[in-house]
Amino acid sequence: QVSLKESGPVLVKPTETLTLTCTVSGFSLNSPRMGVSWIRQPPGKALEWLAYMFSSGEKSYNVSLKTRLNISKDSSASRVVLTMANVDPVDTGTYFCARIDPEGLLDFWGQGTLVAVSS
Amino acid sequence: QSVLTQPPSVSGAPGQTVTISCTASSYYIGADYGINWYQHFPGSAPKLLIYGNSNRPSAVPDRFSGSKSGTSASLAITGLQADDEADYYCQAFDTRLSGLVVFGGGTKLTVL
Repeated sequence: QVSLKESGPVLVKPTETLTLTCTVSGFSLNSPRMGVSWIRQPPGKALEWLAYMFSSGEKSYNVSLKTRLNISKDSSASRVVLTMANVDPVDTGTYFCARIDPEGLLDFWGQGTLVAVSS
Repeated sequence: QSVLTQPPSVSGAPGQTVTISCTASSYYIGADYGINWYQHFPGSAPKLLIYGNSNRPSAVPDRFSGSKSGTSASLAITGLQADDEADYYCQAFDTRLSGLVVFGGGTKLTVL
């Protein structure tokens, strides 16, 4: 069955680059119309979409974070990697990855990984 | 300010019906593929409840239903149960500009 799992550091220092990995199973990142999206949730706040990438290579980013984000995929290992540059304490939160289809539907989600930004 | 506006909270007693609204700031938001709804228990993975305004995945009970009229969508929960207490988010795909995913601000449902 479809499964996604996030991994990454628990603690990152301000100004550093955060690297998060989403490992997927049950579907292929090479299959047509398949994509993975990243979403985050700061403590006590709402879900915020960050980026997505489709098997075609099409990418899209949250406009307000676009200059700091990069999403890429490693199809042979079924992984999607998100990097966020120059992190700040406001970037603290739980980061989720989810499967996305071309109509923007997020049908399967990972459990999330909690990241704290602090010196 | 979110392009999808939800009430911060709603409440209802067990057995009652509650409705959560989601209003888009523009006609284009959700016009192509509709509004999707997710249920989120803190500390766990969000779960897809409704897609394309009113379609329900097979595993979701029919107590949950969705609708949309113009720029406003709604999620209705009938026969409210204690374990429905969670956060609910609407979401859409803005296809005007490189396909941006947008979420509402979330609604906390309290079962009294």
